[in-house]
Amino acid sequence: DTEVTQTPKHLVMGMTNKKSLKCEQHMGHRAMYWYKQKAKKPPELMFVYSYEKLSINESVPSRFSPECPNSSLLNLHLHALQPEDSALYLCASSQDSLQNTFYEQYFGPGTRLTVT
Amino acid sequence: KNQVEQSPQSLIILEGKNCTLQCNYTVSPFSNLRWYKQDTGRGPVSLTIMTFSENTKSNGRYTATLDADTKQSSLHITASQLSDSASYICVVSAPGGYQKVTFGIGTKLQVIP
Repeated sequence: DTEVTQTPKHLVMGMTNKKSLKCEQHMGHRAMYWYKQKAKKPPELMFVYSYEKLSINESVPSRFSPECPNSSLLNLHLHALQPEDSALYLCASSQDSLQNTFYEQYFGPGTRLTVT
Repeated sequence: KNQVEQSPQSLIILEGKNCTLQCNYTVSPFSNLRWYKQDTGRGPVSLTIMTFSENTKSNGRYTATLDADTKQSSLHITASQLSDSASYICVVSAPGGYQKVTFGIGTKLQVIP
């Protein structure tokens, strides 16, 4: 099974709402990632978890809060978002070492987020 | 600043025809280069990965080339199919993990009957 699943597929939320995005993989991967992708732009790295510990935060605003409850799950908690945060949020996982990009990243289908 | 530039930005070809997509990069030092296919609203899927010493790599009808001296790569698609319609993204990695990865903006390919 080489699948990364993400829920929900679509999410519309107001600026005062609190919501969460979920990501799951069962490939035994120990590195998991959140990316943000705006239309016609490449994905931008947000967070990296390695062995369930946050190892990289690319200066993401605190209204985005990641969580890795176990090695298979990755959450992104959203609070007080702005309309400019509307984007496709992609989750990815890779086999092991944070230092080794030879391990392929497997991407989920993404959650299309709209902030109104 | 590390950059990855792709051309053309978009391309329309007839089903059955071949096409070549270009990728130029300034990333240095260099670790590897991947080509991804991204269907609309979906996550990218890796097609090929090449290191400094590899000149060409094939995956079915997809063939990637790399000239590390000129920092150029190409992706050639043979006998295109309607399902090839997607964005093709060139991604270049420097040593040091996924925080050292630079994505290109992609080439949007449309294959028409």
